[in-house]
Amino acid sequence: KNQVEQSPQSLIILEGKNCTLQCNYTVSPFSNLRWYKQDTGRGPVSLTIMTFSENTKSNGRYTATLDADTKQSSLHITASQLSDSASYICVVSAAGNTPLVFGKGTRLSVIA
Amino acid sequence: GAVVSQHPSRVICKSGTSVKIECRSLDFQATTMFWYRQFPKKSLMLMATSNEGSKATYEQGVEKDKFLINHASLTLSTLTVTSAHPEDSSFYICSASAGGNQPQHFGDGTRLSIL
Repeated sequence: KNQVEQSPQSLIILEGKNCTLQCNYTVSPFSNLRWYKQDTGRGPVSLTIMTFSENTKSNGRYTATLDADTKQSSLHITASQLSDSASYICVVSAAGNTPLVFGKGTRLSVIA
Repeated sequence: GAVVSQHPSRVICKSGTSVKIECRSLDFQATTMFWYRQFPKKSLMLMATSNEGSKATYEQGVEKDKFLINHASLTLSTLTVTSAHPEDSSFYICSASAGGNQPQHFGDGTRLSIL
């Protein structure tokens, strides 16, 4: 069964600190993996997308990594800001015309 | 970048009424649109997939007569929650794709509250 597991479920960090969110998946055959940021009451916004051959992708203070062998991905946030408080969702796409597989997200709270 | 507009953002209505939610792709042609439902602290759950000009494909457990989907043009899809009841209260999110392997772009969601 195609699944995406994220950890931790929630995280609280101080402003300015770094953090890393984890994503493990069992989706096969793998096509790509995206990290989304979802603010409360808003739709998800894409941060990064990685295909099988990509190991790392950066978008400003966000850096995503992908290990296709172990089927793991991480999202590293550098120098966190209060506006980073949101849910971060890992979404994996299987090859072919199949639905996206969503993780339950990590709820990040950045406090002053 | 691709923009998807969803309207309304918030709806509060009485039990028994029908509610229509619109999803528009503003700067690209959306061959395929998706409707999701999201409960608090849960991941998005796909309800149905609609391709322009054809009937929507519903996921298992989603009542097609309850959640009517129309995708009459390449820029607009609508979801109508018919005879809504309190258990239909949720956050509904649409996404749109230009088709094939093109990514999905999400709307900002509609918070539906049925009293």
